[in-house]
Amino acid sequence: AQSVTQLDSQVPVFEEAPVELRCNYSSSVSVYLFWYVQYPNQGLQLLLKYLSGSTLVESINGFEAEFNKSQTSFHLRKPSVHISDTAEYFCAVSLNNDYKLSFGAGTTVTVRA
Amino acid sequence: EAQVTQNPRYLITVTGKKLTVTCSQNMNHEYMSWYRQDPGLGLRQIYYSMNVEVTDKGDVPEGYKVSRKEKRNFPLILESPSPNQTSLYFCASSWQATDTQYFGPGTRLTVL
Repeated sequence: AQSVTQLDSQVPVFEEAPVELRCNYSSSVSVYLFWYVQYPNQGLQLLLKYLSGSTLVESINGFEAEFNKSQTSFHLRKPSVHISDTAEYFCAVSLNNDYKLSFGAGTTVTVRA
Repeated sequence: EAQVTQNPRYLITVTGKKLTVTCSQNMNHEYMSWYRQDPGLGLRQIYYSMNVEVTDKGDVPEGYKVSRKEKRNFPLILESPSPNQTSLYFCASSWQATDTQYFGPGTRLTVL
């Protein structure tokens, strides 16, 4: 089974500063990659995903993630965060011939004014 | 409105008392899944279903059962709950496993 490692459990950041959330996975076969966000007391929502094609994917609210096959990583970045970005972020991986979805342990981002 | 609903949202029960958490989606999705969320562990998949009458184990299926008799419903059954099943449970649905998953609001279960 594939495993997903989110290297930071907590990331405090000041408003308008950049943020990077790191995600590495272990798989030797092709994968599909996702970032989900969970706002306080809510379910998860898809932020962005990589299935194929361009290795850089973007979300509508300014986040982007880059798939790096050689480093088996899918780090999430935002150049300037807002207070409303305070949430828990989950990286997830699915093998392209499997029905399972594996999540990382999550990274809590706290944005301070 | 497209949504995934779960009931109940909160449940406190005692060890060994059978319970069912219902999950229903109105998007005609084929794929449905159950997860549990625990601090420091993220979400772990319990069971998933590719279509009606087709289910399979996720990473942590022990102590749980599921059924998929209709496309829209995917109940999670705990035949004999134990305290280590105290957790936050999420149901999700999508067209396929690799598509965007739509999550329900969660069910917070406490087993005493």
